[in-house]
Amino acid sequence: NAGVTQTPKFQVLKTGQSMTLQCAQDMNHNSMYWYRQDPGMGLRLIYYSASEGTTDKGEVPNGYNVSRLNKREFSLRLESAAPSQTSVYFCASSEGQGAATNEKLFFGSGTQLSVL
Amino acid sequence: SQKIEQNSEALNIQEGKTATLTCNYTNYSPAYLQWYRQDPGRGPVFLLLIRENEKEKRKERLKVTFDTTLKQSLFHITASQPADSATYLCALDPFTGRRALTFGSGTRLQVQP
Repeated sequence: NAGVTQTPKFQVLKTGQSMTLQCAQDMNHNSMYWYRQDPGMGLRLIYYSASEGTTDKGEVPNGYNVSRLNKREFSLRLESAAPSQTSVYFCASSEGQGAATNEKLFFGSGTQLSVL
Repeated sequence: SQKIEQNSEALNIQEGKTATLTCNYTNYSPAYLQWYRQDPGRGPVFLLLIRENEKEKRKERLKVTFDTTLKQSLFHITASQPADSATYLCALDPFTGRRALTFGSGTRLQVQP
């Protein structure tokens, strides 16, 4: 089992460029998440999907869009990248529906994004 | 909304000693609190979950306590080893009406051989 797979692992963009971060899980999980991690600020929730077909905003959604393509895949899109979006992005999943906080999260290995 | 405080300064201890990390939160006491380990360049990995009605939970050399009066959780690693060196994150319900865990910024533990 691969668990949660994120692509790409590294990416450099110029300001204004767009890109999509891909995430797939093979654990048949229902809930999926996108977090960003910045030094000294911890993990901050961007968007989450509590079940296939639903998405909800997290703490820092501005500048991002998401798509829950199917049960396995949850992508994050930056339409017009800004230097403030330089960060490490983590995708995660959990088993149940509803993004319950009593369920453990399984994380991917992250995407390091630099916006110049 | 919930605010989580973890000591941003690294904790340095000698091998064999007990490491104690602190997670303080403001406002509402969550029904559950989780601890994760994160190694450099990797995603966090789940370690333990403790419920509000559980004062203490153990897993091998790990122990977590949960004091809803003090609004604090303590994470202990006994007989620490250099391989325990990592950043440890606590996570809980944000109480914003939005689901999904909110995380502290983590405390880096360095175990010296």
